[in-house]
Amino acid sequence: DAKTTQPPSMDCAEGRAANLPCNHSTISGNEYVYWYRQIHSQGPQYIIHGLKNNETNEMASLIITEDRKSSTLILPHATLRDTAVYYCIVRSQNDYKLSFGAGTTVTVRA
Amino acid sequence: DAGVIQSPRHEVTEMGQEVTLRCKPISGHDYLFWYRQTMMRGLELLIYFNNNVPIDDSGMPEDRFSAKMPNASFSTLKIQPSEPRDSAVYFCASSLGPQPQHFGDGTRLSIL
Repeated sequence: DAKTTQPPSMDCAEGRAANLPCNHSTISGNEYVYWYRQIHSQGPQYIIHGLKNNETNEMASLIITEDRKSSTLILPHATLRDTAVYYCIVRSQNDYKLSFGAGTTVTVRA
Repeated sequence: DAGVIQSPRHEVTEMGQEVTLRCKPISGHDYLFWYRQTMMRGLELLIYFNNNVPIDDSGMPEDRFSAKMPNASFSTLKIQPSEPRDSAVYFCASSLGPQPQHFGDGTRLSIL
């Protein structure tokens, strides 16, 4: 059963911010939101995760709504190398399974 | 820092042959995961280990698949006998406890 809903694809202009939405309306109180991405012919790469506070690291920012039913991954200055499939996943800390959905195919255009 | 290392990167073999995929996790990580990715089913977890012990193998498709972890720095996924429908990209990942999983670049397996 899919726990998250993401748009299948989106385009972004190089140098602009990319905002990737994710709906997780059935998220439980102890479940985190994780984001991974998969560049062609590579393994999934961890980006960021959060519980309820907004998070930022060197790759991206994660904005989680107050009701935690949705979140947005922000790539502040997209580059061509950010073209990838982006996966939004919810999991609790004691559940080691990552359930990957179809993700969002992001294409960054020059 | 060395990431998760998988070998071989590509494997082409004929159906009925035994296939062995190998994985070296990140040093110090105590969890190891095997995933399979196909166009039809996406990325799915096959099995995972904690401290070299299999914890959940509910994703292993059938008895033709087996996985072992003889020590903390090595794991194998074996398919015997292989079938064309086993063609996929197989990923290994490792983590330190509940921390994020780190993936290798996968083995692309083609069964003719």
